[in-house]
Amino acid sequence: DTEVTQTPKHLVMGMTNKKSLKCEQHMGHRAMYWYKQKAKKPPELMFVYSYEKLSINESVPSRFSPECPNSSLLNLHLHALQPEDSALYLCASSQSGGINTEAFFGQGTRLTVV
Amino acid sequence: RKEVEQDPGPFNVPEGATVAFNCTYSNSASQSFFWYRQDCRKEPKLLMSVYSSGNEDGRFTAQLNRASQYISLLIRDSKLSDSATYLCVVNMDDGGSQGNLIFGKGTKLSVKP
Repeated sequence: DTEVTQTPKHLVMGMTNKKSLKCEQHMGHRAMYWYKQKAKKPPELMFVYSYEKLSINESVPSRFSPECPNSSLLNLHLHALQPEDSALYLCASSQSGGINTEAFFGQGTRLTVV
Repeated sequence: RKEVEQDPGPFNVPEGATVAFNCTYSNSASQSFFWYRQDCRKEPKLLMSVYSSGNEDGRFTAQLNRASQYISLLIRDSKLSDSATYLCVVNMDDGGSQGNLIFGKGTKLSVKP
């Protein structure tokens, strides 16, 4: 199983809503990532979890709140987002450290904030 | 200085052409290097990992030059299906316990009949 599963695939939310993005992998990877990708731009790193601990936060606004309940799951809680937060949110996982750090990506959640 | 820089593109080539992309990285301690391919409105997918002096996979050849801190991707005999954005990705982790994959801006390739 080399799959990273993200739900939902599409999400439309208002600026006062609270929603969560979910990501799951069963490859035994211990590093999990959230990336944000705007149209015609490369993915930008938001957060890295390593062994279920937050290891990197790329100065992401607090309206984005990550959570890693266990080694297979990664959530991104959204609250009071702005229209400019509309983007494709990609989850990825990889083995932690060493040379075998190829990341496998989920299909993404396409988020629209209205 | 940007951490990972790529040829700006776009590259428009005819079928059968050979095309090469270059990428430079800033962290000399980086250990892992990858080329990903991303189709429009899809997630990035691993095309090739690049280790030590490089590797080849069919029509694709990736080279790593540590002294100059650059990576290249060569595509021979281009197919229409090669049309995509090619992302250079560098693991900025210097051997610790976590990955920190940094993406270049990507180079768009369009192969025409």
